[in-house]
Amino acid sequence: EPEVTQTPSHQVTQMGQEVILRCVPISNHLYFYWYRQILGQKVEFLVSFYNNEISEKSEIFDDQFSVERPDGSNFTLKIRSTKLEDSAMYFCASSFSTDRDNGYTFGSGTRLTVV
Amino acid sequence: QQQVKQSPQSLIVQKGGISIINCAYENTAFDYFPWYQQFPGKGPALLIAIRPDVSEKKEGRFTISFNKSAKQFSLHIMDSQPGDSATYFCAARADAGKSTFGDGTTLTVKP
Repeated sequence: EPEVTQTPSHQVTQMGQEVILRCVPISNHLYFYWYRQILGQKVEFLVSFYNNEISEKSEIFDDQFSVERPDGSNFTLKIRSTKLEDSAMYFCASSFSTDRDNGYTFGSGTRLTVV
Repeated sequence: QQQVKQSPQSLIVQKGGISIINCAYENTAFDYFPWYQQFPGKGPALLIAIRPDVSEKKEGRFTISFNKSAKQFSLHIMDSQPGDSATYFCAARADAGKSTFGDGTTLTVKP
């Protein structure tokens, strides 16, 4: 079964450093998302991306965050200057369309720890 | 108005019992209601989903009941098994594709 692949699985970074989280969505999917989950809390929407541009972003997704699809396969989330409160699991997801009955496929996540 | 309220926060069920998790929403623009199952260290996995024009959907031991007028929907797991022990999230989505998740329910099925 096709998978969404995320790397690395765990990243530790110092506060103020830049991090790039990488995702390879399912190859024929057209819509891409980043969500985050702070330990023990709900899954929160960060950003959606379609046709090489951001479709929607949440208030969490401020100027410190950016997304990019640098080639035909990768989808990245960059945090420019990490803060302690950015520590969370970050999940990439993709879907073929936004039609009804089309759920996401999530990756296994990247655990980001900011120290 | 974008919130999805999920209950209970945790649930303990004996093997073979029925697990019931409830969700409520306010935004009538939501038109797709998926449930996700998440095991520790893994991403959420789509379990079952329903559209608001259907009152019930069943897939194996999993059933979603949907009450459009009350703006509530629930997940029923029949014949619950220890392997069903996981965190379950309801979600709701409008046209744009962004999903709003509930707070999650940690289900423990005791042998």
